[in-house]
Amino acid sequence: GENVEQHPSTLSVQEGDSAVIKCTYSDSASNYFPWYKQELGKGPQLIIDIRSNVGEKKDQRIAVTLNKTAKHFSLHITETQPEDSAVYFCAASISGYSTLTFGKGTMLLVSP
Amino acid sequence: SAVISQKPSRDICQRGTSLTIQCQVDSQVTMMFWYRQQPGQSLTLIATANQGSEATYESGFVIDKFPISRPNLTFSTLTVSNMSPEDSSIYLCSVREGTTEAFFGQGTRLTVV
Repeated sequence: GENVEQHPSTLSVQEGDSAVIKCTYSDSASNYFPWYKQELGKGPQLIIDIRSNVGEKKDQRIAVTLNKTAKHFSLHITETQPEDSAVYFCAASISGYSTLTFGKGTMLLVSP
Repeated sequence: SAVISQKPSRDICQRGTSLTIQCQVDSQVTMMFWYRQQPGQSLTLIATANQGSEATYESGFVIDKFPISRPNLTFSTLTVSNMSPEDSSIYLCSVREGTTEAFFGQGTRLTVV
């Protein structure tokens, strides 16, 4: 089955800095890669996703890049704000299957 | 997007008892999933709730411990049976239509004492 590794486990940045979280996956058949943000006491919320036919996707301050050859994808947050502080999860889904495999999460702390 | 309501949002239960968690979706969906998130950990898939048939369980999870019902395309329940402190976790309901986005409920925070 699919295995997703996520790094780092914690990330502390100053407000206004950029943050990068990286994930690798094992199954070359995976073709869908979402990122979720989970705030304390809440369920995960989808913030951006990318499919394997695209190398990069951007939505305002958030971007995701995908390298299919190396089987890794990254989340980039620019101009970080304190409200970006949360746990971020990457995930992967194999083509034709509905189940998602999640990374272990990254706790992002943005200090004012 | 789908709006998912989970009940209860949290509960404290005595060991040996059972708790049923409800998941209601505001639209008909084919795929509903139940996840467990242990404190400070990632999401682990428990099972896929199939409408009109038995749930499909992942390795390490069994029907006797986590019975699931899926009576229609908008509702599902997960029961955590004969609870022990090790079952203390957040339980999350999720929906996904084919290979589109997956959405999550707010979770049920369970503490077993």
